[in-house]
Amino acid sequence: DSGVTQTPKHLITATGQRVTLRCSPRSGDLSVYWYQQSLDQGLQFLIHYYNGEERAKGNILERFSAQQFPDLHSELNLSSLELGDSALYFCASSVGIFGYTFGSGTRLTVV
Amino acid sequence: GESVGLHLPTLSVQEGDNSIINCAYSNSASDYFIWYKQESGKGPQFIIDIRSNMDKRQGQRVTVLLNKTVKHLSLQIAATQPGDSAVYFCAENPTSTRGSQGNLIFGKGTKLSVKP
Repeated sequence: DSGVTQTPKHLITATGQRVTLRCSPRSGDLSVYWYQQSLDQGLQFLIHYYNGEERAKGNILERFSAQQFPDLHSELNLSSLELGDSALYFCASSVGIFGYTFGSGTRLTVV
Repeated sequence: GESVGLHLPTLSVQEGDNSIINCAYSNSASDYFIWYKQESGKGPQFIIDIRSNMDKRQGQRVTVLLNKTVKHLSLQIAATQPGDSAVYFCAENPTSTRGSQGNLIFGKGTKLSVKP
């Protein structure tokens, strides 16, 4: 157990729908990062939050958004889902850049 | 854009042999590098890291070598075991004039297969 908790583990939804992925960071970690892993793109950085504030954005689509709450958990919202959004979505947390630890991921299947 | 890449997509070794997984990076300003192991259905698991002011770092059965001159990173696994079978990713922390933003750039991964 890495200490980073992601829910749900699996999600199957239809095109055009909206889903919310949840991440609880390790105790004490203020940074939360979201990554997308697909077969043809590998692990791609989406967005980084630090103590509730957005710090950096990567290749995140406008249909996707995220936030980090006062209790430091984070949610990744994916809307108007397309077949190509099917992927593994990972959350990681850290203190600074060191101790970067990943959760076990959410497997999203869009049908 | 700048990216981290891998020379070999697959590597097959005999149990007990040493494994070497290579990685090329293109961002000369990156100051921190990490190797991750990912088993099927699981998240990336930290193996070892190295900062840019070092050339070599050793862990338990693993060694990371950093050659900044040619922007090359390698992971050596000694006495490879069946439990080492997984996909291995290198990742770099790119920096800018504003410093690190915290995100990592990952290579596409090398699949290591250990034959008993």
